[in-house]
Amino acid sequence: KNEVEQSPQNLTAQEGEFITINCSYSVGISALHWLQQHPGGGIVSLFMLSSGKKKHGRLIATINIQEKHSSLHITASHPRDSAVYICAVSMGNELQVKTNFGNEKLTFGTGTRLTIIP
Amino acid sequence: EAQVTQNPRYLITVTGKKLTVTCSQNMNHEYMSWYRQDPGLGLRQIYYSMNVEVTDKGDVPEGYKVSRKEKRNFPLILESPSPNQTSLYFCASSLGPDLREDTGELFFGEGSRLTVL
Repeated sequence: KNEVEQSPQNLTAQEGEFITINCSYSVGISALHWLQQHPGGGIVSLFMLSSGKKKHGRLIATINIQEKHSSLHITASHPRDSAVYICAVSMGNELQVKTNFGNEKLTFGTGTRLTIIP
Repeated sequence: EAQVTQNPRYLITVTGKKLTVTCSQNMNHEYMSWYRQDPGLGLRQIYYSMNVEVTDKGDVPEGYKVSRKEKRNFPLILESPSPNQTSLYFCASSLGPDLREDTGELFFGEGSRLTVL
């Protein structure tokens, strides 16, 4: 069983729809990353979270440490949002979160392929 | 322009012929790391480095070596490549692990597609 599970694996939606991609993990973490991989293969960092919620433009990322779950939301989706979205966790513990230490070893989900149809 | 540069971008080689994939960043980042991406398996970490002369194994280090002699460079060395190392390789860097400063954003290189025959 993967330590990081993403759902759904594939998602097709109409332009303008609200999108939610989920990430669940089974171990303690110090931080969680959301990445976007474009059709051309390049990877861009969207968010790094250790608690709460972050917003950037139409993208919102939330994390619930107790439930070991994170969600990535896209509002007013657009065809240019079509990409693979990857969740990655930095293994750690509460002490590392308290001492604000993250990154190091990363374990990745297998990604969610999002297609937005005009 | 802030960037992570990998070379070569594409390489076809033969089993056993030593090769090095270079990675360089111009952002004075402390943290650098190598990943491989394979269909169905996603991204997996090979090695990472927290600073100069400090390296550690990721999840799939077998068959690879790294060095961090300078802050900006983190080459990946395949001493004797084998066909199961055919993959898409990414290098990434970040300022460091200090969550207070939100410095953990990862900057990725464009990827190096390696084929070992």
